Amino acid sequence: SQQGEEDPQALSIQEGENATMNCSYKTSINNLQWYRQNSGRGLVHLILIRSNEREKHSGRLRVTLDTSKKSSSLLITASRAADTASYFCAPHSGGYNKLIFGAGTRLAVHP
Amino acid sequence: DAGVIQSPRHEVTEMGQEVTLRCKPISGHDYLFWYRQTMMRGLELLIYFNNNVPIDDSGMPEDRFSAKMPNASFSTLKIQPSEPRDSAVYFCASSRTSGDADTQYFGPGTRLTVL
Repeated sequence: SQQGEEDPQALSIQEGENATMNCSYKTSINNLQWYRQNSGRGLVHLILIRSNEREKHSGRLRVTLDTSKKSSSLLITASRAADTASYFCAPHSGGYNKLIFGAGTRLAVHP
Repeated sequence: DAGVIQSPRHEVTEMGQEVTLRCKPISGHDYLFWYRQTMMRGLELLIYFNNNVPIDDSGMPEDRFSAKMPNASFSTLKIQPSEPRDSAVYFCASSRTSGDADTQYFGPGTRLTVL
């Protein structure tokens, strides 16, 4: 497995605005996952997008995947203060279920 | 299901002491992972098991660290002797081969402080 690189490292927005985070990776993947970590807590799985999918939605989350550019983006619409957290992408290349996490994007949503 | 259970939630110990962290994965999950998270190094994978067998321990920092999984419902991570630089939050996660394969479910973590 490989490590994804999230961008930006930090993002600060107002409640109600949209937040976009990006992830780049280096080699071909089977799927890519996004996780959220609230301060002091374990990571929580948000969404998984497979290599043959281009876009996936879950509630206020929209994930896109561009395998030609080896990149993914996570869009959170109508953000809330409760969305304040770190967000990690995890590209998965198959085989054993090993994931390697990068530094993440720290999102701060201000009321 | 109760999710991944870790104990203790907080541990404060003195340098040189032995520390044992415990994890109970979600029932039916056949993968178990141990991670360590610090501000400096981020989230590091230490070791993971498949069907109770260690698959990759290349992330274990040194011989002071050891991990076991005697059965499908229990794993330990031991540090002996502990050092201040071992202070971190240690997470356990589990996943399964079928169904929502690849999705990892994390425990709440153990915050370790070594004085």
